Amino acid sequence: AQKITQTQPGMFVQEKEAVTLDCTYDTSDPSYGLFWYKQPSSGEMIFLIYQGSYDQQNATEGRYSLNFQKARKSANLVISASQLGDSAMYFCAMREAMYSGGGADGLTFGKGTHLIIQP
Amino acid sequence: DSGVTQTPKHLITATGQRVTLRCSPRSGDLSVYWYQQSLDQGLQFLIHYYNGEERAKGNILERFSAQQFPDLHSELNLSSLELGDSALYFCASSVVPSGGSVNGELFFGEGSRLTVL
Repeated sequence: AQKITQTQPGMFVQEKEAVTLDCTYDTSDPSYGLFWYKQPSSGEMIFLIYQGSYDQQNATEGRYSLNFQKARKSANLVISASQLGDSAMYFCAMREAMYSGGGADGLTFGKGTHLIIQP
Repeated sequence: DSGVTQTPKHLITATGQRVTLRCSPRSGDLSVYWYQQSLDQGLQFLIHYYNGEERAKGNILERFSAQQFPDLHSELNLSSLELGDSALYFCASSVVPSGGSVNGELFFGEGSRLTVL
């Protein structure tokens, strides 16, 4: 089974609208971390936001917030007031505390969502 | 600028050849990770080194190998290259020392784009 599922291959959103990018995860580890990265067309991977499994509050970083629903194993990224520069691929990723057989300390990534902001 | 340096940025080579990709982690980071990004497979974890020692292996082919040197820079060696090895290879570094700690993001380099013709 996939560890990280991003069900939206692509999204078109009007500038200044809020955007929600979906991410669901699968783990039996009680301790894990969830990450979102942005990859613009230039290729670099840019860290956006982190949520720990024991964090009581949803993480926020500027215009980014993470809607963490632990029981549903969901960690959606919300971008408020989208801008043209937000157009990029967005990846959800997870790190589990226990060795999972692949990438013990690294991150397991989803397939990504290609977000296009339209003027 | 993430502080992680990868060279070369672009590389074009022929099938059957061997290439070496180099990575310098952020100052102070002991962990180095290698990822492969291709259109069909997405971002795949290859291997993790911590302070010179291999910590974890992912979907790394036997034709590929890596090492981390005493100065903490790392090299990924790709041999007997095939067309399907064409991809963007990322190096990332982190302050996370080992298993058990889940926080600590990975800082990625700009990647090395390999094209095998």
